[in-house]
Amino acid sequence: ETGVTQSPTHLIKTRGQQVTLRCSSQSGHNTVSWYQQALGQGPQFIFQYYREEENGRGNFPPRFSGLQFPNYSSELNVNALELDDSALYLCASSRQGKYEQYFGPGTRLTVT
Amino acid sequence: GQQLNQSPQSMFIQEGEDVSMNCTSSSIFNTWLWYKQDPGEGPVLLIALYKAGELTSNGRLTAQFGITRKDSFLNISASIPSDVGIYFCADNNAGNMLTFGGGTRLMVKP
Repeated sequence: ETGVTQSPTHLIKTRGQQVTLRCSSQSGHNTVSWYQQALGQGPQFIFQYYREEENGRGNFPPRFSGLQFPNYSSELNVNALELDDSALYLCASSRQGKYEQYFGPGTRLTVT
Repeated sequence: GQQLNQSPQSMFIQEGEDVSMNCTSSSIFNTWLWYKQDPGEGPVLLIALYKAGELTSNGRLTAQFGITRKDSFLNISASIPSDVGIYFCADNNAGNMLTFGGGTRLMVKP
């Protein structure tokens, strides 16, 4: 059984740029959630995708957007990057209706 | 919104010691999930709890869902060096989003 994978591992961007992060869900899972984890804090929910549509959103501005593809993989897009967007971005997959979510290794984004 | 408070924030362990940490909520929970995160990695699910009073073990780990449904504890017996890391409690009350506590950092005594 393949676990959750994310790419890239690390990324450095300049303020104002745009970034796309990618996630492949664990086999058998149809739901993908994205989280932002600042240094020294717990992960914060950004949004979830199910059936290629957004299925819940946390307190993040519209410049954070996402996609889910027919194979259940997902992208997180962030426009107009700000310095505070520097964080570990985590993707988690699950089966719809199940409470457990399984995380990938994350993408470390640094905005300079 | 609901808040999860974890204590202690950090603790030192010596190999062989038992460790206990807990998580409290400002509101009633339907689920408790315990995760462990190593540096530079994503959180790994350790134990999931669904019923008030439920006691569940996973190897040397034991977790309980409090009777009031507002708290949970995680115990680690006979700790080993690889237990070092950050332990998070989380709730999935909304059915899709996980709400995490601030974490308990386990470190090795010098």
